[in-house]
Amino acid sequence: DQQVKQNSPSLSVQEGRISILNCDYTNSMFDYFLWYKKYPAEGPTFLISISSIKDKNEDGRFTVFLNKSAKHLSLHIVPSQPGDSAVYFCAASASGSARQLTFGSGTQLTVLP
Amino acid sequence: KAGVTQTPRYLIKTRGQQVTLSCSPISGHRSVSWYQQTPGQGLQFLFEYFSETQRNKGNFPGRFSGRQFSNSRSEMNVSTLELGDSALYLCASAHGPQGPGNTIYFGEGSWLTVV
Repeated sequence: DQQVKQNSPSLSVQEGRISILNCDYTNSMFDYFLWYKKYPAEGPTFLISISSIKDKNEDGRFTVFLNKSAKHLSLHIVPSQPGDSAVYFCAASASGSARQLTFGSGTQLTVLP
Repeated sequence: KAGVTQTPRYLIKTRGQQVTLSCSPISGHRSVSWYQQTPGQGLQFLFEYFSETQRNKGNFPGRFSGRQFSNSRSEMNVSTLELGDSALYLCASAHGPQGPGNTIYFGEGSWLTVV
């Protein structure tokens, strides 16, 4: 039972364009969502997070949108840079077990120069 | 400030042996959690410790265990290793009590190969 789903295993975009990575969840108890970036043989690096009381959070080139009714969130990277090429994981947690993250399967982003 | 430190980074064990992995959280962080990453199952939560007490446990057999020391450092142990235990084991730390808003930071992981 996959509670967090990233349906696109890969995404390619041109440098300078917008990258949009999507994530869906099924567990309505999730109230905190995080995005991580991961290079091979390294641990995930925290990018940005959003609480369920918000519908948008911005940090520099990264913006996360949350649509609670659709149980959907997305990460926008604008403008995309070649250094953004990595696997991006969406993760979710629920109050009461806030540090038990449930991860999606990841999306490999490739930014083409 | 220093990040989450895991040792060893790479190790090879034989089926049936046991292994202990170590994690030092970010200074001041009292929560340490462990995750397993495999190609087939992705990133899966093992367990979390806060102030030396296990707070949450994932769906793993009893061969997987852990503990946390008074200085917040943590160890995880896998006994009677199986080939399927080959994975990247990630430690993560967070500051503060349970509740949203506590960002979780990961170490670089320990690569375990069971032969």
